[in-house]
Amino acid sequence: AQSVTQLGSHVSVSEGALVLLRCNYSSSVPPYLFWYVQYPNQGLQLLLKYTSAATLVKGINGFEAEFKKSETSFHLTKPSAHMSDAAEYFCAVRTGGFKTIFGAGTRLFVKA
Amino acid sequence: GAVVSQHPSRVICKSGTSVKIECRSLDFQATTMFWYRQFPKQSLMLMATSNEGSKATYEQGVEKDKFLINHASLTLSTLTVTSAHPEDSSFYICSARDFGVSSTDTQYFGPGTRLTVL
Repeated sequence: AQSVTQLGSHVSVSEGALVLLRCNYSSSVPPYLFWYVQYPNQGLQLLLKYTSAATLVKGINGFEAEFKKSETSFHLTKPSAHMSDAAEYFCAVRTGGFKTIFGAGTRLFVKA
Repeated sequence: GAVVSQHPSRVICKSGTSVKIECRSLDFQATTMFWYRQFPKQSLMLMATSNEGSKATYEQGVEKDKFLINHASLTLSTLTVTSAHPEDSSFYICSARDFGVSSTDTQYFGPGTRLTVL
């Protein structure tokens, strides 16, 4: 069965600092992997997705993620955090049946 | 980009009543839609997969008679919470699969519906 594990339910960074949100996946087949952001009381917004093309994926709002098969990881990074980046972030994997399975989420806090 | 809408965005109802939530794909046809449930400060849990013109497929542990799903057209799926109770209070999010010829088989999410059962 496919699954994702997000390490750290909360991450706190200072404005301007590097953002690193960790995600590890488990999949018996080449996975489709996603990062979504959710602001309070809102739906999900797709940040980026990996679909077996380039291993370094660039997304919106300056975010990027690198697929590392050897580490079964798909960590999300942003060089410089902005106050508006404070939100909940979900890593997700798509199964063969097109179901999307979400990680537990990581709440990002950005300190001024 | 493709847009998925949900209606209503918020609903408050009394215990024992039924509530219907609509999910619409606005500029594409969605043969498959998904319904998720999200408790406060938790992740999204897939409830069911809705296929146009056929019965929904429910995930293990989800009560079919409690959460009725109808996907009567290529742009509309509905979730009805029957005889709602306070424990059904949650954030319900739908998503739609865009599998058109010109698309890259993408899944789009709606803005969610906040259900509060008193």
